Amino acid sequence: SAVISQKPSRDICQRGTSLTIQCQVDSQVTMMFWYRQQPGQSLTLIATANQGSEATYESGFVIDKFPISRPNLTFSTLTVSNMSPEDSSIYLCSGGQLNTEAFFGQGTRLTVV
Amino acid sequence: GESVGLHLPTLSVQEGDNSIINCAYSNSASDYFIWYKQESGKGPQFIIDIRSNMDKRQGQRVTVLLNKTVKHLSLQIAATQPGDSAVYFCAGPNYGGSQGNLIFGKGTKLSVKP
Repeated sequence: SAVISQKPSRDICQRGTSLTIQCQVDSQVTMMFWYRQQPGQSLTLIATANQGSEATYESGFVIDKFPISRPNLTFSTLTVSNMSPEDSSIYLCSGGQLNTEAFFGQGTRLTVV
Repeated sequence: GESVGLHLPTLSVQEGDNSIINCAYSNSASDYFIWYKQESGKGPQFIIDIRSNMDKRQGQRVTVLLNKTVKHLSLQIAATQPGDSAVYFCAGPNYGGSQGNLIFGKGTKLSVKP
């Protein structure tokens, strides 16, 4: 299994600012993903982080709002841009190999005020 | 597209009893399912998975059953303990195949009464 570390674990941000969340995996993984989980709800996929190329975004999520980087097989970042209170949520990074289970970080709890 | 959903949002059981959490899916081409446990303030933790060529898979105190005819799977927890209290999610492949990204059910909150 892979161990996934995210930072920060939580943050309180002012509206209009941006926050970059980092995700580090302790081993090389083929797949890395970013999810959003609003309070009391399930996980919604934001995008697939592709190594060395642009991320693949799900419907309702765009690169200008959620730019993603993945410079190598063990690291990815998600930026939440021009934040509003509606962006308050838990952001989760996951990683794994193709056709196997995905492992998750502990999440970043974001509050926008 | 795939959708994965749960029948009950909450489940309360007595310590020592067995728990059964159900999940339905819509895409018959889905070939891989996972159960995750999420404790408060933590990320989802892998519990057990099952592939579509199997009807049943057992782990330590947990069993997953897959009924492809009715597109239903369940997670059974034997001798439920207070540490099992969490939200449980079923998840399946997002595009009907094992492409790596997952779609999650709504979750069932399991509460274990001492």
